[in-house]
Amino acid sequence: DAGITQSPRHKVTETGTPVTLRCHQTENHRYMYWYRQDPGHGLRLIHYSYGVKDTDKGEVSDGYSVSRSKTEDFLLTLESATSSQTSVYFCAISESPGNQPQHFGDGTRLSIL
Amino acid sequence: GQNIDQPTEMTATEGAIVQINCTYQTSGFNGLFWYQQHAGEAPTFLSYNVLDGLEEKGRFSSFLSRSKGYSYLLLKELQMKDSASYLCAVRDYDYKLSFGAGTTVTVRA
Repeated sequence: DAGITQSPRHKVTETGTPVTLRCHQTENHRYMYWYRQDPGHGLRLIHYSYGVKDTDKGEVSDGYSVSRSKTEDFLLTLESATSSQTSVYFCAISESPGNQPQHFGDGTRLSIL
Repeated sequence: GQNIDQPTEMTATEGAIVQINCTYQTSGFNGLFWYQQHAGEAPTFLSYNVLDGLEEKGRFSSFLSRSKGYSYLLLKELQMKDSASYLCAVRDYDYKLSFGAGTTVTVRA
């Protein structure tokens, strides 16, 4: 299994609070991704990173920010959480965006009340 | 953008064959992936197609027709552990993946 650790695995918080999710990898892969997964929508890309300090927006980036100060860590922040951001969040990594697949972490289940 | 369609649910009997179809309409195509996801777990990579034709990997095979915007995943000799969701994902020219909503396969004894 790819060495990907997401933390926390579960979190319950209140509307309006800031939340940060962490993705840590031990594979030294350049590319890292944050997705959210909701029933009926499948996985949707929030933000991705193609190197340290290099990030870009995905399909559903509004309300989210990311940072990557080290190769191994990719942080996802909800500045002011809303109930619509209740979801399961997955981090993924890939060695290259070419023919290499993305490998996923175990996910973070986030509930915003 | 990408529009990816796959059936919501399928049921099959242990030992049988099931074919999961995926159709896509994309602004750019640069490969198609299939992932398996058991309930409450992470998606895991199954197969990759970028050229037309069939890719076989043990009990699983995946087919692609780029001209038709069509792929299928074939699961042979079904086992109870194959009960899971199967996700079709299309990669665009920017190397980003767009996923279908997934097909939940239930294998019955």
